[in-house]
This record gives sequence, C-alpha cells and structure tokens, in this order.
Amino acid sequence: SQELEQSPQSLIVQEGKNLTINCTSSKTLYGLYWYKQKYGEGLIFLMMLQKGGEEKSHEKITAKLDEKKQQSSLHITASQPSHAGIYLCGADIRDYKLSFGAGTTVTVRA
Amino acid sequence: NAGVTQTPKFRILKIGQSMTLQCTQDMNHNYMYWYRQDPGMGLKLIYYSVGAGITDKGEVPNGYNVSRSTTEDFPLRLELAAPSQTSVYFCASSPLAALNSPLHFGNGTRLTVT
Repeated sequence: SQELEQSPQSLIVQEGKNLTINCTSSKTLYGLYWYKQKYGEGLIFLMMLQKGGEEKSHEKITAKLDEKKQQSSLHITASQPSHAGIYLCGADIRDYKLSFGAGTTVTVRA
Repeated sequence: NAGVTQTPKFRILKIGQSMTLQCTQDMNHNYMYWYRQDPGMGLKLIYYSVGAGITDKGEVPNGYNVSRSTTEDFPLRLELAAPSQTSVYFCASSPLAALNSPLHFGNGTRLTVT
C-alpha cells in the first residue's frame, strides 16, 4: 500500500479558481517535497518543507507541513492554464530515500 | 546547463531482450537514483547510488542491475525484459542525501515490452 496518500487523485478547476491538494503519510514525516510533472517530461521541484508548521510560497503556490497530522497541503490561488499538470509529494520515509505519492492530476479549464 | 540527461526517450523491446538505459549528469552530484513510474502508482525506487563505486537496492530492484563507475554516469540494465517492466523510467541526482536537497530529474525513458 502507498505510504504517501495524495488526494484527490485528479481535479478539474475553472481558471481563476483556487485548489488544494493533500498529501498524508503513514509514517513520521521528517521533510516533504512537492514536485510538478508535465506529460512526457520529468519532475520539476516546487518546494521543500523541513519543519513542522512550515509554510512556503512561490508565486501563487503555497505549501504547508503539519507534522502532527503527518500531512502536507499544496494550495494554488487563482489557477491558470500553466498550473495544469501532475503534482507529486515526496518524503523521506525510507532511510534517506525519497518515496512518492501517486500524484494528483490538475486540469485547468479556460 | 544540461542537468540530468536520459537516453533513449522511447524504446520498444521484445520479451527476453536486454537493454541499457543511460543516465548522465553534469552537476557533480554524488547521489543518483533510478525510479519507475506506473499509472496511478507514483514513483518506485529501483536502485540508488551514493557515489562512484557504491550502489544499493531500492524498493523494486528485481530484474534490473546498475553500475556507477564514474560520478557522472548511472546506467540501468534490463537483462531479460518482461511485460511487467513496461513503464516510464526516471533518473535523478542530488548533491546531498534526499532529505537535505531536492532531486533533479531527467525527462524519462518510456519503455514498452511486448
């Protein structure tokens, strides 16, 4: 079974609307990464969260880490077509090797 | 700045054939990784290396082999291809252990075994 569960599996959002993706771990989180993937391409690093309660923002994307809940969320404000893609969370839960969630596919409708 | 380069981009193999997926990075990173990505399953770690001459198994190493003779190169070898190895393969590198620095990914190799 997945040790990192992402929800939802996919979502469709109207351009200009907000969206939130969640990543929940079955084990203690010592840090968490968010990546974005476009079809046919590799993963692009978005953000790294290393401490409980940490929150980081870049342009319209904000990520938070709740260590007690073993959970992270990624929030996109006023979505644009450029936000479409697959978002994956990755965490070190296997002895310094990153494990990844199954990904959340985001579609932005004009 | 090339980053992590994977070749080939696409490949179709017949059952039982063998091939090597190439990965090279020009960032002088010590850590390198091979992942496979299957639909709805996320990325699974196949093998990783913490430096030249050192490799270790990940979650799903069966059917694969790796070598790390130089810092730059980390090829992945499939000896007897099976349909279960149909997947997208990603190579990644990082300067430090995964917890302390983000991974840089290549664009992937899409492999089909029929």
